[in-house]
Amino acid sequence: DVKVTQSSRYLVKRTGEKVFLECVQDMDHENMFWYRQDPGLGLRLIYFSYDVKMKEKGDIPEGYSVSREKKERFSLILESASTNQTSMYLCASSSFAATNEKLFFGSGTQLSVL
Amino acid sequence: RKEVEQDPGPFNVPEGATVAFNCTYSNSASQSFFWYRQDCRKEPKLLMSVYSSGNEDGRFTAQLNRASQYISLLIRDSKLSDSATYLCVVNSRSNDYKLSFGAGTTVTVRA
Repeated sequence: DVKVTQSSRYLVKRTGEKVFLECVQDMDHENMFWYRQDPGLGLRLIYFSYDVKMKEKGDIPEGYSVSREKKERFSLILESASTNQTSMYLCASSSFAATNEKLFFGSGTQLSVL
Repeated sequence: RKEVEQDPGPFNVPEGATVAFNCTYSNSASQSFFWYRQDCRKEPKLLMSVYSSGNEDGRFTAQLNRASQYISLLIRDSKLSDSATYLCVVNSRSNDYKLSFGAGTTVTVRA
């Protein structure tokens, strides 16, 4: 069974801390994505990557960075966490060859920044 | 204007009822359309793709109206297990990697 694993289900951090969210997929997918989901706003794309060491900004990249050193792993970094980054973070992956853009999501990380 | 807009609902329906809702998109160049389902506190999962000719998967029917730029989802013979939030998802030909998500329509099926 295909799997996208996010390292933490719940995370509580303090303002100003550097935060790492890890995501690993076991499907050999080329594409990986980081979204945040907030009530009433839907999922918004933060960053995505279509290959190792490649990254592209999504719609809301400010305050975030990413790292993709290996094909199966895509990390989201909050350089200096702020309260407005409290959110549900969802990682997803998809195959480059997929014609229907089916995304496989991890179970999410609920991040609270105090 | 949001790229994808949905009526948030909730749509409260009895078991066995039919429920339908729409989603509008702003980019006329959009080429691919999907419905994802998200259960409470769970991740989204693909429910079905939406094709130009419309498509059906069991009790679920999806339609695309390019002229008016909306897609629809109809659920027949609702089951309690259909209670979820349904996310409308659209991608633009201009960038195949990026999908735009609606905020979701919540459906609650009651016994």
